[in-house]
Amino acid sequence: DAKTTQPPSMDCAEGRAANLPCNHSTISGNEYVYWYRQIHSQGPQYIIHGLKNNETNEMASLIITEDRKSSTLILPHATLRDTAVYYCIVISNTGKLIFGQGTTLQVKP
Amino acid sequence: GAGVSQSPSNKVTEKGKDVELRCDPISGHTALYWYRQRLGQGLEFLIYFQGNSAPDKSGLPSDRFSAERTGESVSTLTIQRTQQEDSAVYLCASSLWENYEQYFGPGTRLTVT
Repeated sequence: DAKTTQPPSMDCAEGRAANLPCNHSTISGNEYVYWYRQIHSQGPQYIIHGLKNNETNEMASLIITEDRKSSTLILPHATLRDTAVYYCIVISNTGKLIFGQGTTLQVKP
Repeated sequence: GAGVSQSPSNKVTEKGKDVELRCDPISGHTALYWYRQRLGQGLEFLIYFQGNSAPDKSGLPSDRFSAERTGESVSTLTIQRTQQEDSAVYLCASSLWENYEQYFGPGTRLTVT
């Protein structure tokens, strides 16, 4: 499974867009990029996933570079409740998630 | 509808005892995963069931750990002769099919004294 690299922490002002980067330079052609987040003391929550096209849902947008070696998760209007650890994960066909250390996003008022 | 449920929510046990943790996946989900999360750490994959295929046990840390799943329903994770290093939150997740988004349960917090 491809490894991912994320910054350990980021801050974002409430109401502003949060842009969380992820590098996955060893991703292979059939591997998807998934994003999950974990709010303190809760189980991880699925956010969004993509293969090669940009994706958008009610929670976030996912921008994947053309070479697929990196991606950015965008929370368009961050709220205090978006404070969490965000995990970028590349999944092979088995579906098992290999979690890294993630990015701790702190949304500040 | 109902999400993934796990029981018990908390378990305190003495070193050397066996424990069983239960996971009830979302109805109709064919894939079921177990993960472990130690305090302040990320999630570690333990084992994965997909339909009637042989489970992927590649993440089990030792032969004291085992898991079973009955068809496409409930799963139990068993830890024999527990050690203090087994203290963690054990999380279960299910998905409609492999490579689909996983829905996590609230976890079981295991404390080995």
